[in-house]
Amino acid sequence: DQQVKQNSPSLSVQEGRISILNCDYTNSMFDYFLWYKKYPAEGPTFLISISSIKDKNEDGRFTVFLNKSAKHLSLHIVPSQPGDSAVYFCAASGYNTDKLIFGTGTRLQVFP
Amino acid sequence: DTGVSQNPRHKITKRGQNVTFRCDPISEHNRLYWYRQTLGQGPEFLTYFQNEAQLEKSRLLSDRFSAERPKGSFSTLEIQRTEQGDSAMYLCASSPGPSYEQYFGPGTRLTVT
Repeated sequence: DQQVKQNSPSLSVQEGRISILNCDYTNSMFDYFLWYKKYPAEGPTFLISISSIKDKNEDGRFTVFLNKSAKHLSLHIVPSQPGDSAVYFCAASGYNTDKLIFGTGTRLQVFP
Repeated sequence: DTGVSQNPRHKITKRGQNVTFRCDPISEHNRLYWYRQTLGQGPEFLTYFQNEAQLEKSRLLSDRFSAERPKGSFSTLEIQRTEQGDSAMYLCASSPGPSYEQYFGPGTRLTVT
């Protein structure tokens, strides 16, 4: 049972435009959500997180939006840069556990 | 370098052999996690520690897998009698506590031939 889903395996965006990566979850007990970026042969790098008490969190070019009623979150990157090209993972954790449940990732390619 | 480190970075072993991986977390972090990632999937949780106490283990962690964190510092993950299905990237992460972001190491890629 995939509790965290990233339904778009890939996304291609032109440099300077906005990248929007989506994530859906099924477990209403999740209360903390994170986005990670991963380059080949490296471990995931933390980007941004959001608690369930908020609906938006912003850090520089990265903004995460949380819609609890729809069990949906999204990561906006603006403006997109070629260095943003990587695989992006959405992750969630719940009230009674600290483990992260990851989605399957979305490969973002930013082209000039 | 104050990040999470893992050794070795790559390990090739024959089926049936035992392997051990090491993780050194960020020094002030008391929580340490192990995940496994296979091709096309996100990382899957294996186990985690708070200091030296192992707080949770996944059903993925069969009897052939054992993890330790003596003295609440570095951690080791041992796989006994390796199988080809154990081939994966093994990732270690640490955090300062619950509901904080987890910082990942570079991973150990295991190939079982």
